[in-house]
Amino acid sequence: GDSVTQMEGPVTLSEEAFLTINCTYTATGYPSLFWYVQYPGEGLQLLLKATKADDKGSNKGFEATYRKETTSFHLEKGSVQVSDSAVYFCALRLNTGNQFYFGTGTSLTVIP
Amino acid sequence: EAGVTQFPSHSVIEKGQTVTLRCDPISGHDNLYWYRRVMGKEIKFLLHFVKESKQDESGMPNNRFLAERTGGTYSTLKVQPAELEDSGVYFCASSLGGPGAGETQYFGPGTRLLVL
Repeated sequence: GDSVTQMEGPVTLSEEAFLTINCTYTATGYPSLFWYVQYPGEGLQLLLKATKADDKGSNKGFEATYRKETTSFHLEKGSVQVSDSAVYFCALRLNTGNQFYFGTGTSLTVIP
Repeated sequence: EAGVTQFPSHSVIEKGQTVTLRCDPISGHDNLYWYRRVMGKEIKFLLHFVKESKQDESGMPNNRFLAERTGGTYSTLKVQPAELEDSGVYFCASSLGGPGAGETQYFGPGTRLLVL
């Protein structure tokens, strides 16, 4: 079935370190791919998205590229900040469907 | 503009009791979704309303769960009777258009439910 597998956490990095959170997916058809972020005490916020192969989503210094050949959508940031500490969720949505399929979430803590 | 709000933020109940969660979507959003995250696992879809109608309830786990959206504004999700495995975080989301239109879903902060 349709599903998302993402890197398990928790992840702890020092400020200005490079971040990669891996995400791979299984889907029928051609899904849209998303990264959502949940800051402490808040709801999930859309971080970035990509709707077709080779698209790159970017926002707030984060990037992810839709790789159909490897069924991946890895999240990267070149230099993390303490304010990036949050839980990150990878998700897919089938273009014919009504629902999201989320990964388990990866908790990121950035220390000064 | 106010975002999606959920009430209560936390609920602790005993097995067998009833709990009702409420979601207020962004004003004007016809589409409302419920999701659940059981501890350490993925966020799973429960159901989707378009206005007051249930568009898709394929994710509802069993008949102990009842969702309503009378009048097409706020929604409630009732669990009766609650079981231990119902513990988790319940998220609500809303969107202006449906998924086919590529609409972004805006999520609330979630309700943390603990069944003892």
